[in-house]
Amino acid sequence: AQKVTQAQTEISVVEKEDVTLDCVYETRDTTYYLFWYKQPPSGELVFLIRRNSFDEQNEISGRYSWNFQKSTSSFNFTITASQVVDSAVYFCALSEDYGQNFVFGPGTRLSVLP
Amino acid sequence: EPEVTQTPSHQVTQMGQEVILRCVPISNHLYFYWYRQILGQKVEFLVSFYNNEISEKSEIFDDQFSVERPDGSNFTLKIRSTKLEDSAMYFCASSYGTPKFGPGTRLTVT
Repeated sequence: AQKVTQAQTEISVVEKEDVTLDCVYETRDTTYYLFWYKQPPSGELVFLIRRNSFDEQNEISGRYSWNFQKSTSSFNFTITASQVVDSAVYFCALSEDYGQNFVFGPGTRLSVLP
Repeated sequence: EPEVTQTPSHQVTQMGQEVILRCVPISNHLYFYWYRQILGQKVEFLVSFYNNEISEKSEIFDDQFSVERPDGSNFTLKIRSTKLEDSAMYFCASSYGTPKFGPGTRLTVT
């Protein structure tokens, strides 16, 4: 069975601080996909990144970066120089097959204070 | 960029009534999904749909729920007899790889 854990329920930081959101997953499959979604106060789910299990290369996109480590089953997300607009709930998710449903973690609510 | 659309954005209904939530997936996508999010909680999978049939469903998706793709463009979720605990945000998604979510329909059952 697949499971996603996001141990941090809520994080508050002051603008311009760096912040890392943790994600730990469980799966029996050797092929799987990991995702991060952002849910701003308006409620929609905004796709941020997809990573497949064969690609452990870390990725950077502007102020966002992701650290995928299969050895610890983690897929952590770092925001550098946080901004107030980054305030949202962030969900990590896991899918065991292309096109299949995926399991969301419980989410981490990030508040960036001015 | 193509978007998944959902209507209505907010639906209020009385307990025991039937509701139909509508979604228009992205046109070249092959997989369709419904998820729900009870206020303040995590996003939960309800059902996936592929090749005009349900490919997977969760324990939440009981006999009160049904899905349909009536005309090749719309994808609907029907709740036959709503309960108070069905109050949630319902997200439709479609994918040809990475699921793209619609903006959601907030269902309030009174």
